[in-house]
Amino acid sequence: GENVEQHPSTLSVQEGDSAVIKCTYSDSASNYFPWYKQELGKRPQLIIDIRSNVGEKKDQRIAVTLNKTAKHFSLHITETQPEDSAVYFCAALRSNYQLIWGAGTKLIIKP
Amino acid sequence: KAGVTQTPRYLIKTRGQQVTLSCSPISGHRSVSWYQQTPGQGLQFLFEYFSETQRNKGNFPGRFSGRQFSNSRSEMNVSTLELGDSALYLCASSLGVGDNEQFFGPGTRLTVL
Repeated sequence: GENVEQHPSTLSVQEGDSAVIKCTYSDSASNYFPWYKQELGKRPQLIIDIRSNVGEKKDQRIAVTLNKTAKHFSLHITETQPEDSAVYFCAALRSNYQLIWGAGTKLIIKP
Repeated sequence: KAGVTQTPRYLIKTRGQQVTLSCSPISGHRSVSWYQQTPGQGLQFLFEYFSETQRNKGNFPGRFSGRQFSNSRSEMNVSTLELGDSALYLCASSLGVGDNEQFFGPGTRLTVL
């Protein structure tokens, strides 16, 4: 069936370094790709999203890039800070309007 | 605007029992989605309701069911509980289906003994 693969499952980076999380989707009709952040003990929250008519979107230290041909999209976090420690989920919207979620990436920021 | 609320927040049941969880969406939101989250696992999609109709359903057994009322409030029911049903159940509301931000509730922590 349709799925979204997310890598890596765990990412550990030094504070101040950059972090990149990649997702690959299978439904070529997908046209909306959100990223959610879930801090420990809290609910997931949308941090950034991108639609298929653009290739990149930035919001301060975070950015998302989309490669429709290769069917993958990535989350980039620059100058990582302790508060970036969380689980990040990517998702892709199928043509039937169902969001298909990645398995999540646990991001650890080392001081 | 009040956020998404879920009741109860914690629940302890025994195997074989059934349980009903409730979700009140943000005012004006007409879509409600339900997810199961277990430790170390991601967000497992259960189902989505829009205007009282189930639009999408995940790969869960028929013991998991849901419904949505005319005021957009939603309930999910799990019958014949199993130990493996112990999880955090999250609901999320959005204005509509498609490319709308989902706002998550705090979740209901279900423990099956």
